[in-house]
Amino acid sequence: DTGVSQNPRHKITKRGQNVTFRCDPISEHNRLYWYRQTLGQGPEFLTYFQNEAQLEKSRLLSDRFSAERPKGSFSTLEIQRTEQGDSAMYLCASSLANNEQFFGPGTRLTVL
Amino acid sequence: DAKTTQPNSMESNEEEPVHLPCNHSTISGTDYIHWYRQLPSQGPEYVIHGLTSNVNNRMASLAIAEDRKSSTLILHRATLRDAAVYYCILRAVFRSARQLTFGSGTQLTVLP
Repeated sequence: DTGVSQNPRHKITKRGQNVTFRCDPISEHNRLYWYRQTLGQGPEFLTYFQNEAQLEKSRLLSDRFSAERPKGSFSTLEIQRTEQGDSAMYLCASSLANNEQFFGPGTRLTVL
Repeated sequence: DAKTTQPNSMESNEEEPVHLPCNHSTISGTDYIHWYRQLPSQGPEYVIHGLTSNVNNRMASLAIAEDRKSSTLILHRATLRDAAVYYCILRAVFRSARQLTFGSGTQLTVLP
């Protein structure tokens, strides 16, 4: 499968714990996006990379959130000191330049 | 970003055409109209996009009003697999990040 992959698919954690998600984009795609989706709502933009550079961050991305894309390949999204309000589906997407975005299946986070 | 308005839900019978409307009265001249859909338990997937002229691809057709204040996504023969949330999104050409701004979309139910 040469699509966007995300791991893990599901994560259950206790409030206050740190979690890290991984996204592997389509190999030739230079742009990578993270979105968050809560039940019944459309995805909301979190942050965006062009190659290894993080070029934009949403106001939704509090200082407990950090994202990296070393070497411009895979990306990780870390949430420190998780809160119940962080429970959501975290979606990763990639694109080649300004072409259509290809989304992964998402990581569903549940914070107890 | 200019806003889009879509009905919350629509129903269609299998093998009949479906017309999904979207209003975007504040669209600017450099906004492309994009449609994505999200099947249950999956990330969104690209359907089609256009600027001024009507567009066709293997998945759907996009009809854009002459004044560009509304558009319609047309599924020519709905199948059960087309049951999804359909998002109409305006994407400004000149925004550096060009992330997608999703609304709540239209939940399409296809009846057998």
